[in-house]
Amino acid sequence: GENVEQHPSTLSVQEGDSAVIKCTYSDSASNYFPWYKQELGKRPQLIIDIRSNVGEKKDQRIAVTLNKTAKHFSLHITETQPEDSAVYFCAAAQYYNQGGKLIFGQGTELSVKP
Amino acid sequence: ETGVTQTPRHLVMGMTNKKSLKCEQHLGHNAMYWYKQSAKKPLELMFVYSLEERVENNSVPSRFSPECPNSSHLFLHLHTLQPEDSALYLCASSQDWEGNYEQFFGPGTRLTVL
Repeated sequence: GENVEQHPSTLSVQEGDSAVIKCTYSDSASNYFPWYKQELGKRPQLIIDIRSNVGEKKDQRIAVTLNKTAKHFSLHITETQPEDSAVYFCAAAQYYNQGGKLIFGQGTELSVKP
Repeated sequence: ETGVTQTPRHLVMGMTNKKSLKCEQHLGHNAMYWYKQSAKKPLELMFVYSLEERVENNSVPSRFSPECPNSSHLFLHLHTLQPEDSALYLCASSQDWEGNYEQFFGPGTRLTVL
């Protein structure tokens, strides 16, 4: 079955700096990769996702890149702000085949210091 | 408010007790999920229901018993749990199971097994 590894487990940056979180997956059949953000004491929420037919997707300060050959994908946050502090989870699934079966990474606790 | 509610928010139970967790979604979705979130571990998918039919059962011990009476409600019945079952139990829903639709999470039930 699919296995998703996420690094680093914790990340501390200064406000305004960029943050990068990386994930690798094992199943080459996976072709859908969402990222969820979970603020302290709150529920996870989708922030961005990417399908394997594109290599990069951007939404304001957030971008995700995908390397299918190497089976890894990354979340990039630019111009970080204190409100970006949260735990970020990557996940992998097979689009149009058990697409709801998300396999999550271990999570990255991001701390943005003002 | 994401439209997914869970009750109770906190539950403390002994190993011989029987209790139930309830999830309700007001989004008109067809798929519902139970996840277990433990400290230092990734979100673990437990069960998936699509149109009230169980489509995924991730080798979960039989002391956890799900029930989906209709597409808006999902229960997780608990009996003879172990202390290692203490965790945050999250419910989620999505428009459908097979497509890659965003999963909307509830606030979770914090379960402590004594």
